[in-house]
Amino acid sequence: GAVVSQHPSWVICKSGTSVKIECRSLDFQATTMFWYRQFPKQSLMLMATSNEGSKATYEQGVEKDKFLINHASLTLSTLTVTSAHPEDSSFYICSAPRQTDSNQPQHFGDGTRLSIL
Amino acid sequence: QKEVEQDPGPLSVPEGAIVSLNCTYSNSAFQYFMWYRQYSRKGPELLMYTYSSGNKEDGRFTAQVDKSSKYISLFIRDSQPSDSATYLCAMSLTGGGNKLTFGTGTQLKVEL
Repeated sequence: GAVVSQHPSWVICKSGTSVKIECRSLDFQATTMFWYRQFPKQSLMLMATSNEGSKATYEQGVEKDKFLINHASLTLSTLTVTSAHPEDSSFYICSAPRQTDSNQPQHFGDGTRLSIL
Repeated sequence: QKEVEQDPGPLSVPEGAIVSLNCTYSNSAFQYFMWYRQYSRKGPELLMYTYSSGNKEDGRFTAQVDKSSKYISLFIRDSQPSDSATYLCAMSLTGGGNKLTFGTGTQLKVEL
């Protein structure tokens, strides 16, 4: 069964609103979680690395004030898209490795489809 | 030039065929190699995970890594319509739980 849960799975909202996406590890603790964005027929692009208890690390070209990340506990990371605009419409996916062994592969959530009108 | 190159397809095969999917990469420092399957509007699902060069088999799936050629492959035997999905290769410098670099994905369709 799923070990990483992502919510909501689909959200539609008006331009200018902020949207929060949650990523939870269900049966393990994750000090690190990753946030990806995927445009249609394209691959996953890493946006940022979420670190429990500290600031997230953003990839080059990703606006940290636009995409706010909070990793407040060992099982929950949130991504908030602030003042969303149509160009932010995309498929957002989180992932997490099990804390005890970073050599093991990441588990991915089922993604959040964000549509900004 | 992208770090990881993957033919986007689409690749269409008849049921029961052997499917070969490939990726090439430019960074010789990659050590960990993964294949993920992604159904439409779903997150990636891990199929195979290998370290360094060599072969690994799991059921109908075989992964091959040739680090000298910077080339990895995934073979699917006895392909089924349920295998129709996008297949993503991914690689990492320091372990599958760390930063991954993905290929663009190959769309596969297995027809009855």
